[in-house]
Amino acid sequence: KNQVEQSPQSLIILEGKNCTLQCNYTVSPFSNLRWYKQDTGRGPVSLTIMTFSENTKSNGRYTATLDADTKQSSLHITASQLSDSASYICVVTPLGNDYKLSFGAGTTVTVRA
Amino acid sequence: SQTIHQWPATLVQPVGSPLSLECTVEGTSNPNLYWYRQAAGRGLQLLFYSVGIGQISSEVPQNLSASRPQDRQFILSSKKLLLSDSGFYLCAWKRQGANSPLHFGNGTRLTVT
Repeated sequence: KNQVEQSPQSLIILEGKNCTLQCNYTVSPFSNLRWYKQDTGRGPVSLTIMTFSENTKSNGRYTATLDADTKQSSLHITASQLSDSASYICVVTPLGNDYKLSFGAGTTVTVRA
Repeated sequence: SQTIHQWPATLVQPVGSPLSLECTVEGTSNPNLYWYRQAAGRGLQLLFYSVGIGQISSEVPQNLSASRPQDRQFILSSKKLLLSDSGFYLCAWKRQGANSPLHFGNGTRLTVT
């Protein structure tokens, strides 16, 4: 069973609108949770990282939140742009083992003009 | 700055043929190196990781193998490809430490026919 579940699987939004992606995980204990952006046909690129003691982290129009009690994280995209069209992947690093990361399947976001 | 090169970008190979995918990293020394496979609708699957020259840890007992002949070179190989080996292969590097991000190459799309 995957230890990181993301929802929705995909979504379509209009340019300029906001959206929120969800990540639920069971990895415990963990060192950090990171969100990656993956453009089609490219490798993922890190957007944000949060340790277990952090609640929120922003990177431009991207804001990630973390609730370690409920083991949930979200990624909020504000004022979406066409360039935000990509897959967004939630990744959790287990405490004491930073080689075997747990990856979500990703949420594919399509921004339409 | 650090860069990672992965080639080829696409590859079509017949069943039973050999495989060699190469990945090199520039601008850093003694990186941790990784090979992942990404299947549609699923999280990245760790295939191999390496913490040093000649040190390879295998996560998936398949007909794939990996080698690290030089500090910043990582090679994924197979003697005889299977149809099930088709997929998107990603090489990545990472510094020591749980909070260091993975830096991915742009991947190789392998189709076994």
